[in-house]
Amino acid sequence: DTEVTQTPKHLVMGMTNKKSLKCEQHMGHRAMYWYKQKAKKPPELMFVYSYEKLSINESVPSRFSPECPNSSLLNLHLHALQPEDSALYLCASSLTTGGTKNIQYFGAGTRLSVL
Amino acid sequence: DAKTTQPPSMDCAEGRAANLPCNHSTISGNEYVYWYRQIHSQGPQYIIHGLKNNETNEMASLIITEDRKSSTLILPHATLRDTAVYYCIVHEKLTFGTGTRLTIIP
Repeated sequence: DTEVTQTPKHLVMGMTNKKSLKCEQHMGHRAMYWYKQKAKKPPELMFVYSYEKLSINESVPSRFSPECPNSSLLNLHLHALQPEDSALYLCASSLTTGGTKNIQYFGAGTRLSVL
Repeated sequence: DAKTTQPPSMDCAEGRAANLPCNHSTISGNEYVYWYRQIHSQGPQYIIHGLKNNETNEMASLIITEDRKSSTLILPHATLRDTAVYYCIVHEKLTFGTGTRLTIIP
């Protein structure tokens, strides 16, 4: 099973709402990632978790708050977003973060619209 | 971070081999070359990776030059389902470049 499951598939939220994106994998991977992808652009790395600890934050605004409750789950909590935050949010996982073990498996993404 | 350069777009006839080039002249000795593709509205999909030697799997072949400054992804018999954006990446954090939009022509 090489599946990374993201929910919801689509999300529409107002600028004052609080919502969460969820990501789940059952491959025993110990590294998990959040990416943001704007239309017709490549994915941009946001956060990396390694062994359930945040290891990389690519200077993401605090209105995005990641959480890794256990090795299989990754959440992205959203609060007070702006319309320019509308994008496809991708989750990925890999066995670890180094060398040949860094093959990442991606979910289908959550398409977020901020009104 | 090593940067990559890829042509923005390519066409290939269905059934022919698709050869996608990538330049990565600043690659360091321990950096792997990874290839992913992204079909419209889906998450990126891992294709293949390599360090020095040429690699082949059920999806594609990867040819890396001896100086490691460039590589070529080969899809041996392209089908319409291979139409996608192909990304060549040479950093563990997967810093995506702009990629090559490959269109398979019937």
